[in-house]
Parts: sequence; C-alpha cells; structure tokens
Amino acid sequence: SQKIEQNSEALNIQEGKTATLTCNYTNYSPAYLQWYRQDPGRGPVFLLLIRENEKEKRKERLKVTFDTTLKQSLFHITASQPADSATYLCAGNNNDMRFGAGTRLTVKP
Amino acid sequence: DAGITQSPRHKVTETGTPVTLRCHQTENHRYMYWYRQDPGHGLRLIHYSYGVKDTDKGEVSDGYSVSRSKTEDFLLTLESATSSQTSVYFCAIQGGDVNTEAFFGQGTRLTVV
Repeated sequence: SQKIEQNSEALNIQEGKTATLTCNYTNYSPAYLQWYRQDPGRGPVFLLLIRENEKEKRKERLKVTFDTTLKQSLFHITASQPADSATYLCAGNNNDMRFGAGTRLTVKP
Repeated sequence: DAGITQSPRHKVTETGTPVTLRCHQTENHRYMYWYRQDPGHGLRLIHYSYGVKDTDKGEVSDGYSVSRSKTEDFLLTLESATSSQTSVYFCAIQGGDVNTEAFFGQGTRLTVV
C-alpha cells in the first residue's frame, strides 16, 4: 500500500541548533511533497512545497529537500527557537493528498 | 485566512446514529478533503473531491460517505456511528491543481458514546 512515513515521533533539540525531520514514502511516487506545521488544537498550516524535479527549496530559516532516488524528503529548521516547537507533517500529492504521522518537535531554551 | 469553515465544531452522538459533518468554503477551490486525526496516526485521508459530484475514496473510507453537490460544500456522513469513529475531523481545500498549498478548517471533535 502507499505509505508516507515520518520516522521520528518526537525530536528534542536545543535552541539555536538545526532541526532535521525526515519523510519517506513507499509504493508511491508523489509529484509534490508539502510540509505543514500543526499546533495543539489547530488545523495544519502550510510551510513549503517542493516538486519532484526540484532538489531543494528555502524559505527564511526553513529548507526542504526532495530525493526521488532515496524516496525521501528532509525538512530543516536552522537557528531553531522555542517558538518552533510544534508538530510537523509531510504530505505527498498526486491526485490526492496523504500525510505522514508527524514529528513533534520540542526546542528547549 | 482562507474561507473554510467546519460545522459543527463539537458533537457527541450515540452509537448507531447517523451523523453529517459539513465543510463550507468561499474560495471556489477545486479540491476538498476530509481527514481524521487520531493520536499516533497523524492525518488519515477519508474521502476527497476533485469537483462537483466527483469524489474518491481515501485510506480509511469504510463507514463513511461523502457528497459534493456544489463547489462550496463537502459533506461527510457517518451512516451509523461507531465508537471507533470518535476522532477529530479536518476538512481541507486546495486550489486549481495539487501544486498549491492546502488550507484547513478548525476541525470537528466528534465523540461517539
């Protein structure tokens, strides 16, 4: 079956460090991958989109990569801050939009 | 904020009763999605729509049906609610193709007792 997996359920890092989150997909070839942030009690909010023919995308402190050989996307937050603490979700798009289970990031001061 | 609203926001219902959740958008977006979110499972796709009267099943469609008779409304129906359908339900909308960001509603917390 088609799967999008985020390997880490939780990630704890120190303020100022770079957080790296992983998203893998199997039996699936998404044309696009998207990353969302979700805070408790709220709906997800869009962060970045990357197409399968793009290697890397950046937006301020955020960077996302897409490796179709490894079937993997990496999401980086540089110079992390406690305000970055949230759950981060990756989603694959073909005709529909499917999500991984999410990684709960905690940035400690 | 994108114009998407879900109703009701909270509902408690009894096992075996039918329940309908509504997603309403004012953005004229083509794609609409229904997800459920449970601890440890993230967002799981129930059904989606790519146009009026055009719908398809997602990963966890058993026990759910949908209808989209006009662009702005996407209804999710639990024909006979079960306790396993207790969850938070999110609706999302997406523009002309899947190469655009999606916007989510506030969520509906459904409890089946």
